[in-house]
Amino acid sequence: NAGVMQNPRHLVRRRGQEARLRCSPMKGHSHVYWYRQLPEEGLKFMVYLQKENIIDESGMPKERFSAEFPKEGPSILRIQQVVRGDSAAYFCASSPPTSGITSGANVLTFGAGSRLTVL
Amino acid sequence: AQSVTQLGSHVSVSEGALVLLRCNYSSSVPPYLFWYVQYPNQGLQLLLKYTSAATLVKGINGFEAEFKKSETSFHLTKPSAHMSDAAEYFCAVSLGDKIIFGKGTRLHILP
Repeated sequence: NAGVMQNPRHLVRRRGQEARLRCSPMKGHSHVYWYRQLPEEGLKFMVYLQKENIIDESGMPKERFSAEFPKEGPSILRIQQVVRGDSAAYFCASSPPTSGITSGANVLTFGAGSRLTVL
Repeated sequence: AQSVTQLGSHVSVSEGALVLLRCNYSSSVPPYLFWYVQYPNQGLQLLLKYTSAATLVKGINGFEAEFKKSETSFHLTKPSAHMSDAAEYFCAVSLGDKIIFGKGTRLHILP
């Protein structure tokens, strides 16, 4: 029963290139979350997706960042034209489907993260 | 809007001493609250969660947290620190299906 799988674990890009980070949720989990972690800043929520739907992208920068969770395959966080400030650890988490009574109580299962370095 | 504040970005305790990591929340409705731990170069792991069933919540590795509505607090404690407890700890609150994390507290264990 594999956990949340993220790849690549480490990614190096030069300014202006594109970065694609992939996340496969736990089996049976239909919700995917992306967070960005910077030193001393904790985890910043970026986006929450279900299959083929973006539910909440209030934490995503308006430009250059996009996320998808297709019907088949992993969720992908895409950063276009990367800049040095994009260097961070990006964590994906997944959770099972929620119902009204349990909404909000679901535990997130995290991947090991993808560390992006922009040169 | 829901949020959490963790007091102290770094806490140092001696091995065998009490661990106390502070978390205060703000929420307009009864919250769901969580503590997660992150070891170096790893993702976060759940320590415990509060879902209104009991105010004192026991978690893994001997940790527990007490929900105090009057103080809007959910502090994490462990009676006796172990070297393996050195990690970063995050308090979190749910906002619908979205989980909002505090900035984290790095726990250092002194020999």
